[in-house]
Amino acid sequence: GQSLEQPSEVTAVEGAIVQINCTYQTSGFYGLSWYQQHDGGAPTFLSYNALDGLEETGRFSSFLSRSDSYGYLLLQELQMKDSASYFCAPGPGTDKLIFGTGTRLQVFP
Amino acid sequence: DAGITQSPRYKITETGRQVTLMCHQTWSHSYMFWYRQDLGHGLRLIYYSAAADITDKGEVPDGYVVSRSKTENFPLTLESATRSQTSVYFCASSEAGGIGSPLHFGNGTRLTVT
Repeated sequence: GQSLEQPSEVTAVEGAIVQINCTYQTSGFYGLSWYQQHDGGAPTFLSYNALDGLEETGRFSSFLSRSDSYGYLLLQELQMKDSASYFCAPGPGTDKLIFGTGTRLQVFP
Repeated sequence: DAGITQSPRYKITETGRQVTLMCHQTWSHSYMFWYRQDLGHGLRLIYYSAAADITDKGEVPDGYVVSRSKTENFPLTLESATRSQTSVYFCASSEAGGIGSPLHFGNGTRLTVT
C-alpha cells in the first residue's frame, strides 16, 4: 500500500527556523519532491531528493533518508511570505506522484 | 507566453450535465496530469498522460474522461457531473513524469456542481 504522513499545521515566527517532516510508504520509490502552495494559488515546485542527504536551495533545504522512508523540509529565516501549504510527494514510479493533505505553515510577525 | 493555462477559471454547472475543463501547455512536455484538490484530501491524481494518445488512470478516475490527441492539450470531461465532483481542478505538465522533473501546475479551475 501507499501512505504519507505530514503534520497538518505548523506555526512559527518571522526569522525562525521550521522543519516539516514527511514519512511515507510506497510500493516503489524514486525520489521525494516538495511543493509549496499559497492560498488560492497553484502548487509550485521547491526541491527534489533522489539520494540520501541534504539538498540546499537558498533559505530552503530538503533532506531524505531512504532507509527510514523519511524526509523533511527545512525553512530558515522565515518570512511572512512563507506562509503557505507544503506538500511532500514521494514518487512510487515514473508517472505518479502522491500528494498528501500537506502541512499548513503559518508565520507570525 | 509559454506556460500552462487552464480554462475556465470558474465554472458552475448542474448535476447531470457534461462539462469539459481545458488544459493547454506550450512547453511540449510529454507528461500531463489532472489533479483535484479538496479540503481534507489534498491533491489527488485523476488521470495522467505520458504522451499523445497515451492515458492512464490515477487514484480517483471514476466519473472522468480524458483524451490527448495533441501533445499540448489535455482536456478533462465530467460526463455527468455530480455534487461530489465540486472541487478545484489542477492540470500539470512535466518533461519526465514528475520524478526529478518538476510538475508545472496551471492556475486551476474551481468547479461547483449544484
